[in-house]
Amino acid sequence: QQPVQSPQAVILREGEDAVINCSSSKALYSVHWYRQKHGEAPVFLMILLKGGEQKGHEKISASFNEKKQQSSLYLTASQLSYSGTYFCGTERGTYKYIFGTGTRLKVLA
Amino acid sequence: EAQVTQNPRYLITVTGKKLTVTCSQNMNHEYMSWYRQDPGLGLRQIYYSMNVEVTDKGDVPEGYKVSRKEKRNFPLILESPSPNQTSLYFCASSWLAGESNEQYFGPGTRLTVT
Repeated sequence: QQPVQSPQAVILREGEDAVINCSSSKALYSVHWYRQKHGEAPVFLMILLKGGEQKGHEKISASFNEKKQQSSLYLTASQLSYSGTYFCGTERGTYKYIFGTGTRLKVLA
Repeated sequence: EAQVTQNPRYLITVTGKKLTVTCSQNMNHEYMSWYRQDPGLGLRQIYYSMNVEVTDKGDVPEGYKVSRKEKRNFPLILESPSPNQTSLYFCASSWLAGESNEQYFGPGTRLTVT
């Protein structure tokens, strides 16, 4: 079963913050985050391997709560370039990946 | 330049006509994978390979075949395409070991089966 992402879509103004959540009904052993701009391939943002881990990538960071089987992606002071669809993914068995259905984010000037 | 290439980028075909979508990477990655992307369903894994001659099914393998005879290539074969295989297909590769199993995606192949 695919991880569930929320919200499904969000519209922001430049400079606003956003949070994208990813939750799973099954245990999460790692969480991967990708961003896909319209008409392009997904691009890796970060991976969280341990519960309680937090990581940052410019103004984009993420946390991983292993007990709650969820991860959150934080976008701070959004820029136009942040627009796209964000996917969380996890492993179901060794190297078998499953992704969420995505969150469409649009940043307006 | 490190990259994953796919060919063709666009393909329109008819039901039942066998086709192959090629995927090649120049990063010496052990791991390669195929995904399909459909509206509202996100990315779903079709097949993956951990090394030459080692392949396994993902979540949606029905109707597809793969082979890994060389480390750099991982073609996706549709023996008898059907309209429900109309989709956007991505190939990806990554290292097997290490802290970051970052997957590098190819540019995608848009397939239409009529």
